[in-house]
Amino acid sequence: GNSVTQMEGPVTLSEEAFLTINCTYTATGYPSLFWYVQYPGEGLQLLLKATKADDKGSNKGFEATYRKETTSFHLEKGSVQVSDSAVYFCALSVIAGGTSYGKLTFGQGTILTVHP
Amino acid sequence: GAGVSQSPSNKVTEKGKDVELRCDPISGHTALYWYRQSLGQGLEFLIYFQGNSAPDKSGLPSDRFSAERTGGSVSTLTIQRTQQEDSAVYLCASSSGPGQGIFSTEAFFGQGTRLTVV
Repeated sequence: GNSVTQMEGPVTLSEEAFLTINCTYTATGYPSLFWYVQYPGEGLQLLLKATKADDKGSNKGFEATYRKETTSFHLEKGSVQVSDSAVYFCALSVIAGGTSYGKLTFGQGTILTVHP
Repeated sequence: GAGVSQSPSNKVTEKGKDVELRCDPISGHTALYWYRQSLGQGLEFLIYFQGNSAPDKSGLPSDRFSAERTGGSVSTLTIQRTQQEDSAVYLCASSSGPGQGIFSTEAFFGQGTRLTVV
């Protein structure tokens, strides 16, 4: 089956610190990989995605590279801000028969708190 | 609409009662998904609709759970004889349809319905 394992946290950092949240996956088929973010009081939003090996997704200073050899998709940001405080979810969607119907398998989520 | 809309935003119900949760997807989105977010279980897939049909309902936890979608738009998730373990945030998402090849289409999420069974 498909599964996603991510660093559970919670993670607490000072502003301008470097962030890494680890994510590894197992999948049958060829997965697309995603990071979703849930800000306090808001719904889940797509942060970035990568659809094939060695692709790098990036958005808002966050990056993640699809590493097929290590089945990983770690999230990184060079300098976090207080406004990055949120819950981050790693997820995958598997393509089968040439079609991905978008069903997402999520990791457990990582709570990030950034202090000034 | 501008985004995925879910109602109610909060629902408190007594154990044993039935509840209905509603999802209004983004206009024109043919794919609709329900997920459940609970402590200890994370985010779990419940059911997927393409148009009015549900080709994947593998995540529904028991026969007390059912969902329908009418007119290719609004969807209702119904939980019968609610139990305390049904307490969770129920999330709905929609997308423009199945992706082809390597192109996965983005799913847009609503803010969820927080269900508390007392």
